Amino acid sequence: QKEVEQDPGPLSVPEGAIVSLNCTYSNSAFQYFMWYRQYSRKGPELLMYTYSSGNKEDGRFTAQVDKSSKYISLFIRDSQPSDSATYLCAMSVNYAGNMLTFGGGTRLMVKP
Amino acid sequence: DADVTQTPRNRITKTGKRIMLECSQTKGHDRMYWYRQDPGLGLRLIYYSFDVKDINKGEISDGYSVSRQAQAKFSLSLESAIPNQTALYFCATSDRTGGGNQPQHFGDGTRLSIL
Repeated sequence: QKEVEQDPGPLSVPEGAIVSLNCTYSNSAFQYFMWYRQYSRKGPELLMYTYSSGNKEDGRFTAQVDKSSKYISLFIRDSQPSDSATYLCAMSVNYAGNMLTFGGGTRLMVKP
Repeated sequence: DADVTQTPRNRITKTGKRIMLECSQTKGHDRMYWYRQDPGLGLRLIYYSFDVKDINKGEISDGYSVSRQAQAKFSLSLESAIPNQTALYFCATSDRTGGGNQPQHFGDGTRLSIL
């Protein structure tokens, strides 16, 4: 069993929809949680970074962490075709600059 | 110009060849990392370096070696390439300030195919 599980998709939604992307994890020692967005032929780009349980909002993006359930989510409001990408969750035990464990990524397609 | 530059962007080579992938950064970060990405597996850490004299193995270091030539340069070598090393390789950097509590920033990757 992988430490971090993520549905690979693809997830296809119409423009303007609310998107929910999720990861579950098995290691209760994970303390730092990140979401990366990766466009085709590009490197992962950091979207959200959070430490504590609860919600963190940044524009159209909301990251949610539930440590008791070992579950994290990324919500995208008013989705746009430019949001079409692969979304990777990542987490770390010690601090974000050290060893990250990634989920396999979810491919999202937002159709105009 | 990109903050984290990887060369080459694409490489096709044969089994048994020695290959070097290079990474340079202009972010001034102390910490550098090499990952490989395979479909459905996310990114897995190969090696990481917290400064020029510090090299550490990651999750999947077998078959790979690294060299930290300077603060800004970190290269990954495959001494004798094999087909299951075909993957997308990423270099990343992070800043040590704030107790190392800084996220990693990635280059655009090298697509490596070993025939």
